[in-house]
Amino acid sequence: SAVISQKPSRDICQRGTSLTIQCQVDSQVTMMFWYRQQPGQSLTLIATANQGSEATYESGFVIDKFPISRPNLTFSTLTVSNMSPEDSSIYLCSGVGKETQYFGPGTRLLVL
Amino acid sequence: DAKTTQPTSMDCAEGRAANLPCNHSTISGNEYVYWYRQIHSQGPQYIIHGLKNNETNEMASLIITEDRKSSTLILPHATLRDTAVYYCIVSYAGNNRKLIWGLGTSLAVNP
Repeated sequence: SAVISQKPSRDICQRGTSLTIQCQVDSQVTMMFWYRQQPGQSLTLIATANQGSEATYESGFVIDKFPISRPNLTFSTLTVSNMSPEDSSIYLCSGVGKETQYFGPGTRLLVL
Repeated sequence: DAKTTQPTSMDCAEGRAANLPCNHSTISGNEYVYWYRQIHSQGPQYIIHGLKNNETNEMASLIITEDRKSSTLILPHATLRDTAVYYCIVSYAGNNRKLIWGLGTSLAVNP
């Protein structure tokens, strides 16, 4: 199975600022995804992180708000831009291995 | 929208088997049934998956009905550490593995 780490594990940010979340996988994965989990809710897919090209965003999510990079097979970043309190969530990255999808521990973001 | 329906919550006594049901009546022929769990807002943890046959691993067993319209996840000897939200998801295998998450079942294992 793949081991996925995320940095930071949590942060408290002021509105209007931006935060970049890093995701590192210990082995090669094919697909990488970014999810958001708002308080008390289930996971919602933000986008598919594509290696060396623009990410593929789900309905309701745009690149200007959530720019994503994936420079190689094992690393990706998600930036939450111009944050507002509504962006307070857990952000999770995942990687698709041979058999299934594995998840990082999540980044807890609180925007004041 | 999620293609599965699960009870909102369940209770189980420690040491007993926990049987978590899932309905997926619109599952297509080549979609798998995946089970994940999430413990206290940690990242989801993969448990097991299957297509047609029953599956067993070190964590759990998955029983899929013959018509594939429902399944049951069995934790044979539940412990307090199994308290979590359990998600049943249907998805195609392969590289483009988007998972659509429902609300899951909140399982409470009681001493």
